[in-house]
Amino acid sequence: GNSVTQMEGPVTLSEEAFLTINCTYTATGYPSLFWYVQYPGEGLQLLLKATKADDKGSNKGFEATYRKETTSFHLEKGSVQVSDSAVYFCARLLEGGYQKVTFGTGTKLQVIP
Amino acid sequence: KAGVTQTPRYLIKTRGQQVTLSCSPISGHRSVSWYQQTPGQGLQFLFEYFSETQRNKGNFPGRFSGRQFSNSRSEMNVSTLELGDSALYLCASSLSGGNSPLHFGNGTRLTVT
Repeated sequence: GNSVTQMEGPVTLSEEAFLTINCTYTATGYPSLFWYVQYPGEGLQLLLKATKADDKGSNKGFEATYRKETTSFHLEKGSVQVSDSAVYFCARLLEGGYQKVTFGTGTKLQVIP
Repeated sequence: KAGVTQTPRYLIKTRGQQVTLSCSPISGHRSVSWYQQTPGQGLQFLFEYFSETQRNKGNFPGRFSGRQFSNSRSEMNVSTLELGDSALYLCASSLSGGNSPLHFGNGTRLTVT
């Protein structure tokens, strides 16, 4: 089937630690891939995106590389801050999908000082 | 530039009633999508509208409906409310669809008692 699988949370890290949140997808064709972030009481915000294989999306120190051979789009950050505490969603949009985005279940990140 | 605006922020309804939620997209955005977010099911796609036409629909019963006006504003309606309809309803707009990213509002929190 077509789905997005991301690692279970919550993830608790100390400030300045290295972050990886795993995400894998299944899809026929060449989907666009996204990471969204949701802060408490708010909607989702686009964090980064990649639209074709080997693209690297980056924003605010976060990075993710579209790996077609492993169907993965893992989110990484070299040094997390307390302000990065939020829920992170991996998402996939199929070609011609008319905004029917499939989201992963979300991974809650808590960064402690 | 104003973001996506959803009204109201909170709603409490009783079973059997109906409800209408409103969404004003970012100026210039012609695509509006609706998502339901619950702790158990995560984010699920409801439908997407573009130029007043529904282009895509998720797997929700016919009690869930929507429409889009000529100014791109959108409403969604849920009739004969059930307890399981309690959720955060998120609206997202994008320029035209394709792989243009979604811009989310802060959502309407619906509680059905």
